[in-house]
Amino acid sequence: AQTVTQSQPEMSVQEAETVTLSCTYDTSESNYYLFWYKQPPSRQMILVIRQEAYKQQNATENRFSVNFQKAAKSFSLKISDSQLGDTAMYSCAFINNAGGTSYGKLTFGQGTILTVHP
Amino acid sequence: NAGVTQTPKFRVLKTGQSMTLLCAQDMNHEYMYWYRQDPGMGLRLIHYSVGEGTTAKGEVPDGYNVSRLKKQNFLLGLESAAPSQTSVYFCASSSAGTTYTEAFFGQGTRLTVV
Repeated sequence: AQTVTQSQPEMSVQEAETVTLSCTYDTSESNYYLFWYKQPPSRQMILVIRQEAYKQQNATENRFSVNFQKAAKSFSLKISDSQLGDTAMYSCAFINNAGGTSYGKLTFGQGTILTVHP
Repeated sequence: NAGVTQTPKFRVLKTGQSMTLLCAQDMNHEYMYWYRQDPGMGLRLIHYSVGEGTTAKGEVPDGYNVSRLKKQNFLLGLESAAPSQTSVYFCASSSAGTTYTEAFFGQGTRLTVV
C-alpha cells in the first residue's frame, strides 16, 4: 500500500519570500503520479501541480515548482514570491498509474497549513 | 460548467439520525469517489465507484453506504450517525482510461454530529 507523509503541520512565510513544503511517499510501484493540491478557506480543492514519475524534469507552474527526487521518494513544493492568496492548506497526493487497476484512487498526505504574512 | 456539485454544504445531525449526501457530476466521468477530511489526517477514501451500478470500499468504509444508480450521481449514506463521523466530506470524479488525467472535486460538505 502507498503512504504519503507531510511532516510539517503548519508553516508561515512573509509575503514575497520563498517557502518549501515537504512530502515523502512510499511505494513499490515504478509508474505513478504525484500532485500538490491547494485548499483555501473556501475548502475548494485546487490542483496546483502534477509530476509523472517517468519524467526526470521537475514540473513548474508559474511561481510553483517541485523538487522530485525519485530515489529518495521525495516530492517537495516550492512557492516563490509568496502572495497573501497562497494562504491555504497544501496536500500532497499520490496515484499509482499501473494500468487501470488504480481506478483513479488518490492517497493523500496529512496536509500543511501555510500562512503568508504581509 | 458546474463540474462536481455536492448537496448539502453544511449539516448538523443528532447521534443516531440518518442522512444522505448527494454528489452530481456533469463531465460524464466513469469514476466517482467519496473522501472524508479530518484535521491532521488528510483526505481518506470512504467508497468509490468505477461505473454505474458498481461500488467498492475504500480505506474507511465502516458506517457508510453508497449507491450509484445513475452515472452522474453518487450518494453517500449514513444510516445511524455517530460523533466520529463529524468531518468534511468531499466527492470527486475522474475519467477512466489507462492514462490518468485529473480528479475534480466538489466543494465539500461539513457535517457535524452532536
